[in-house]
Amino acid sequence: DQQVKQNSPSLSVQEGRISILNCDYTNSMFDYFLWYKKYPAEGPTFLISISSIKDKNEDGRFTVFLNKSAKHLSLHIVPSQPGDSAVYFCAASARGGSEKLVFGKGTKLTVNP
Amino acid sequence: DTGVSQNPRHKITKRGQNVTFRCDPISEHNRLYWYRQTLGQGPEFLTYFQNEAQLEKSRLLSDRFSAERPKGSFSTLEIQRTEQGDSAMYLCASSFDGYEQYFGPGTRLTVT
Repeated sequence: DQQVKQNSPSLSVQEGRISILNCDYTNSMFDYFLWYKKYPAEGPTFLISISSIKDKNEDGRFTVFLNKSAKHLSLHIVPSQPGDSAVYFCAASARGGSEKLVFGKGTKLTVNP
Repeated sequence: DTGVSQNPRHKITKRGQNVTFRCDPISEHNRLYWYRQTLGQGPEFLTYFQNEAQLEKSRLLSDRFSAERPKGSFSTLEIQRTEQGDSAMYLCASSFDGYEQYFGPGTRLTVT
């Protein structure tokens, strides 16, 4: 039973445009959400996080939106740059019970020059 | 560089052999986590420590797996009697407060 789902295996956008990566979750106990970026042969790099008490968090070109009623979050990258090309993972934790992160399968983003 | 480090980066072993991986967390972090990632999947939680105490273990962590964190600093993950299904990337992460987890580069294990 996959509790965190990233339904788009891949996404391709033009440099300068917006990239929107989506993530859905099923466990209503999740209250903390994170996005990681991963290049081949490297470990995941933390990008941005959001607590369930918020619906939006921004950090530079990255914005994460959380819709708790829909159990959906998204990562917006504006403007997209070729260096953003990587696999993006959504992760969630139920802070009240465990610190473990539950990851989606990832979305491969390609930003074309 | 004061990030999470892992050694070795790559390990090739024959089925049935034992292997041990090491993780050195970010120095001020008291929490340390182990995950495993296979091709096409996201990382899967294995276990985590707060200081030297192992607080949670996944059902993925069979009896052949053991993790330690003596003195609450570095950690080791040992796999005994390796099987081909153990081939994966083993990732270590650390955290100060249990929120953002910072990952190391991983150890890629290949069991032949």
